[in-house]
Amino acid sequence: DAGITQSPRHKVTETGTPVTLRCHQTENHRYMYWYRQDPGHGLRLIHYSYGVKDTDKGEVSDGYSVSRSKTEDFLLTLESATSSQTSVYFCAISERDRWDTGELFFGEGSRLTVL
Amino acid sequence: QKEVEQDPGPLSVPEGAIVSLNCTYSNSAFQYFMWYRQYSRKGPELLMYTYSSGNKEDGRFTAQVDKSSKYISLFIRDSQPSDSATYLCAMKGFNKFYFGSGTKLNVKP
Repeated sequence: DAGITQSPRHKVTETGTPVTLRCHQTENHRYMYWYRQDPGHGLRLIHYSYGVKDTDKGEVSDGYSVSRSKTEDFLLTLESATSSQTSVYFCAISERDRWDTGELFFGEGSRLTVL
Repeated sequence: QKEVEQDPGPLSVPEGAIVSLNCTYSNSAFQYFMWYRQYSRKGPELLMYTYSSGNKEDGRFTAQVDKSSKYISLFIRDSQPSDSATYLCAMKGFNKFYFGSGTKLNVKP
C-alpha cells in the first residue's frame, strides 16, 4: 500500500470556522492532489501540487486553499467552512515517468461535516 | 458536458455472472485509462490501467479501450460477492486525472 496518511479522518465543525486537512506521504512522489467525493458527482479535483510551493486549481477550488512547504505534506484549508463543503475528502499522490504515465494512489479519506 | 460519463447503476448480479462496466469520454487527447475499485468508506484503489487502445487482461478482469468511439469497458468474469464495490473509470490528461461518477456493483451470493 502507498504510504499516504490523512488527518483528521473525521471532523464535525460549524459554519464559518476554519478547517485544515493534512495529507502526509512517505513515497516521495512529486504530485499530490485533493479531491472531494459527493454522491452523484464522483471525484472532483479541488487543487493539486506538482512540487514544493507549486500548486494549481482544480475544477472546484472556490472556498479552498492549499499549501505545500515540504514534499511529504499537502494541506487543504477551508478558510470559512460552509455546509456545501460537507463531503469526503481524498488526498492522492502520483509520480510521472518518462511516458507520462503514473498511477494515482489514494488515502483513506477525511469525512467532514459542516453544521 | 462532463469530461467522463459513467452509468451510476446500481448494478445487481448473481454470483458467477459476467459484469460489464462502461464509460464514455469527450477528450480525444486522453491516452491513459484506469479503473479504480472503491469499497465502502475506503479510498479508491487502482484495479487496472491501459495505455492507449486495446485490451488488457488480469485474472478475471479485462479492460478494453476503444479510442475511435471514446469508450472504455471493464469486464469481470465469474463475479464474486467480494467484487461488490463502486467502480470508477478514470483518464489522465497532462497532470490531471478525470473520473467518472462510479458504478455501484452488488454481486449476490
